[in-house]
Amino acid sequence: EAQVTQNPRYLITVTGKKLTVTCSQNMNHEYMSWYRQDPGLGLRQIYYSMNVEVTDKGDVPEGYKVSRKEKRNFPLILESPSPNQTSLYFCASRPGTSAYNEQFFGPGTRLTVL
Amino acid sequence: GENVEQHPSTLSVQEGDSAVIKCTYSDSASNYFPWYKQELGKRPQLIIDIRSNVGEKKDQRIAVTLNKTAKHFSLHITETQPEDSAVYFCAARGSGAGSYQLTFGKGTKLSVIP
Repeated sequence: EAQVTQNPRYLITVTGKKLTVTCSQNMNHEYMSWYRQDPGLGLRQIYYSMNVEVTDKGDVPEGYKVSRKEKRNFPLILESPSPNQTSLYFCASRPGTSAYNEQFFGPGTRLTVL
Repeated sequence: GENVEQHPSTLSVQEGDSAVIKCTYSDSASNYFPWYKQELGKRPQLIIDIRSNVGEKKDQRIAVTLNKTAKHFSLHITETQPEDSAVYFCAARGSGAGSYQLTFGKGTKLSVIP
């Protein structure tokens, strides 16, 4: 089944404890991205990647890191999480061949930073 | 960068009535406008999209219209049903370097009252 997966789905952690949220897609998509969703603010892009080893900042990149060493994986790293990073996170992917291609979302990761 | 404004933030309609959600965008180079539906606790899913060279697109009870001159686009849902209750997001994607980013509106919570 073609899909985008994220792990973990739920995470409660404490301030300053490094964490990684994994994202994987099995559709051979070139383009992958991370969003955070907060009430009243919609979906805001954190980072995106056009292909392996090519990443760029989105609208809210502060406090986050990403890497794209393999085409299928795009982990989101929080080196020192803070309470203002408590949010619902979505990974997404789409084929990179056309700007009109549909973007597929993962199931989401709900992160709470205490 | 692109800025997408979405109105209203909440909308309540009686079952069987129509619902209209409106979005405006700032970048005249944007050429792709998808609409996503997000049910409670689930991931956003594409319901309809429109390209800049098309003025209107319909898919059963859902239609999207685009006015490039005014830089606004709208989602129309006719004969609403309780299962249409969800949060709806509009988005815009630019051309060229901007085609890597999808900018979302803040969302509209639609409630269909039986």
